[in-house]
Formats: sequence, C-alpha cells, structure tokens
Amino acid sequence: GAGVSQSPSNKVTEKGKDVELRCDPISGHTALYWYRQSLGQGLEFLIYFQGNSAPDKSGLPSDRFSAERTGGSVSTLTIQRTQQEDSAVYLCASSRTGLAGADTGELFFGEGSRLTVL
Amino acid sequence: AQTVTQSQPEMSVQEAETVTLSCTYDTSESDYYLFWYKQPPSRQMILVIRQEAYKQQNATENRFSVNFQKAAKSFSLKISDSQLGDAAMYFCAYRSQHYTSGTYKYIFGTGTRLKVLA
Repeated sequence: GAGVSQSPSNKVTEKGKDVELRCDPISGHTALYWYRQSLGQGLEFLIYFQGNSAPDKSGLPSDRFSAERTGGSVSTLTIQRTQQEDSAVYLCASSRTGLAGADTGELFFGEGSRLTVL
Repeated sequence: AQTVTQSQPEMSVQEAETVTLSCTYDTSESDYYLFWYKQPPSRQMILVIRQEAYKQQNATENRFSVNFQKAAKSFSLKISDSQLGDAAMYFCAYRSQHYTSGTYKYIFGTGTRLKVLA
C-alpha cells in the first residue's frame, strides 16, 4: 500500500524491557512525526524529523526515549527500560512539509502501535 | 507558542441532524494551516477538512464545513446530515505555513468525542 505503515500493531512487554517501534512513511515525504496517545486522550508530540535537519526532540518525555530516521525514510522509536506509564498508542505520521509547491499541510497517519507494559 | 483549545470533550447529535464542534487557537502568526482530523474507533487518523489562513472563504467538503473567523481565532466544524459513521473523536490542529516560525510542528487540541444517536 501507499500509506504510512507501522509495526508492530500491538506489543505487550514486561516492565524494564526495551521496545522498538517502526514507521515506514509515504515515499517522498520529507517530514516524519511521532505522537503518543494515551487511552481516550489527545496527541502528545514526541519528535519530528524534517529532511536532513536535526530532529526536534522537544517532546520526548525522558532519556529512555530515542528515535532515529535512516536514509530519510524509515524511522524507529526506541523505549528503553519500559515503565507502565509508557503504555499508550504510538502514532507515526508523514507529510510533504516544506516541499515547495507540494506542501498542502496534510499529515498522513499510520494505524499506530499499541504498547502495553505489564 | 501556539495553542489549540477544544472546549467540548463530548457532543451528541441525532442522526440526520447538524452539529457544530468548536475550536479556538492562539498564534501571533499570519500564515498557517488549520485542520480537522477524525479518529474512528479503528484508531487511524483521517483528514476531514483543511483551511489556509490567507483564504477568507470557508472550506467545505461534502457534509463538512468550517466557520473560520481569523480575527477571533476560531475554527469550528459543522457536520450536516449526521450519519452513524461520523461517530469518532475529532481533533482540531494548527501548523505554521512557513519555516520562518522555526518549526513545522503540528499542534493538536484535546479532542471532542462525537456520538451519533440513531
């Protein structure tokens, strides 16, 4: 498909374990965003990648959280030493942000990865 | 910093009736995008409608329309002829249009849960 792909769809882990969540954005999209959504709540910004610029990490809640984007495409969000409060849905989105003539502002979301920390 | 406020945590509407969801925002910028996103129980966020701040004409998409009041910093969503499939969480969002603001970060409101009654 041509949409944003996230894996795994669901992840159950034990407290203290590390987890990796993957996001495959739409081809050609310059920007990639990670958000966290706790049950029934709004979207909490985590991190944002724009082209080759340094990522905006201002939303990462602690140094247990990190993310990288390789080759300007696939991104991995890593949570080390998971805690129960990390349980949430992690949403990835991509867009043509900043592309002259192609930036409509629209953000395209994946279906999210639901993380449950026992 | 920009903020987006949705003051209605939950709304209900009778099938075939019209409902309006409220959104206010705060910014010192003149050029920006405003969005309404829908998140059904399936979890994937879908763009409902988009408005560019420089356009005075209110955006419309079939049964969905907005009332954009730039001076008042208000951006409400009207859903006409409500259908059962409209039941979802609706998020209002803001994004700067130009990188001169220093970021293309999207700011989301806390959401309004819409229930459609048969």
